[in-house]
Amino acid sequence: DIQMTQSPLSLAASVGDRVTITCRASQTISSYLSWYQQKSGKAPKLLIYAASSLQSGVPSRFSGSGSGRDFTLTISSLQPEDFATYYCQQSYIAPYTFGQGTKLEIK
Amino acid sequence: QVQLLQSGAEVKKPGASVKVSCKVSGYTLTDMSMHWVRQTPGKGLEWMGSFDPRDGETFYAQNFQGRVTMTEDTSTYTAYMELSSLKSEDTAVYYCATPRAEGSLDNWGQGTLVTVSS
Repeated sequence: DIQMTQSPLSLAASVGDRVTITCRASQTISSYLSWYQQKSGKAPKLLIYAASSLQSGVPSRFSGSGSGRDFTLTISSLQPEDFATYYCQQSYIAPYTFGQGTKLEIK
Repeated sequence: QVQLLQSGAEVKKPGASVKVSCKVSGYTLTDMSMHWVRQTPGKGLEWMGSFDPRDGETFYAQNFQGRVTMTEDTSTYTAYMELSSLKSEDTAVYYCATPRAEGSLDNWGQGTLVTVSS
């Protein structure tokens, strides 16, 4: 199975900050990488698919980059509603494994 | 607009089975695969497997092989995930989700809490 490793696992930031979360795959996954946002008690929400494509309706302050093994999710200017947990997932080879999650908290 | 509506919370004893349903609307069930993901309390997301009605193919993650069965009933627009030989560690929220072409999961059910307790 492909292992997905996120860093950091937790992050404290302020409204207006620029934040970057990284995700590394244990082997190449081309661009088959998605990012999700999950708030407490809710289902995950797709933010980015195919490593860098913004899902419809997601604010443009979210962006994704990378290919191969290394990927990043960037939030250009944090808003209060962005404090949540973020997960990456590979869909290159089943099982479609997730990263451990990064909890983004208010500083 | 794709919507996935899951069945309600369940409480089961160790060794029992649970069958979670996911009723779809806004698309034809046979048009795409259905994925199942679970989240144990306070922990991350775990992809369990998928069922593709176009060819009947299933893929189950190794952790669940031999215990999970994913099926669909096209007459009722409903997908099912059955997990048997339940253990306390199976206490989790179970989600159904549909994929985009490249595999990302863009539509999710609201989740079903399954509690396994004696």
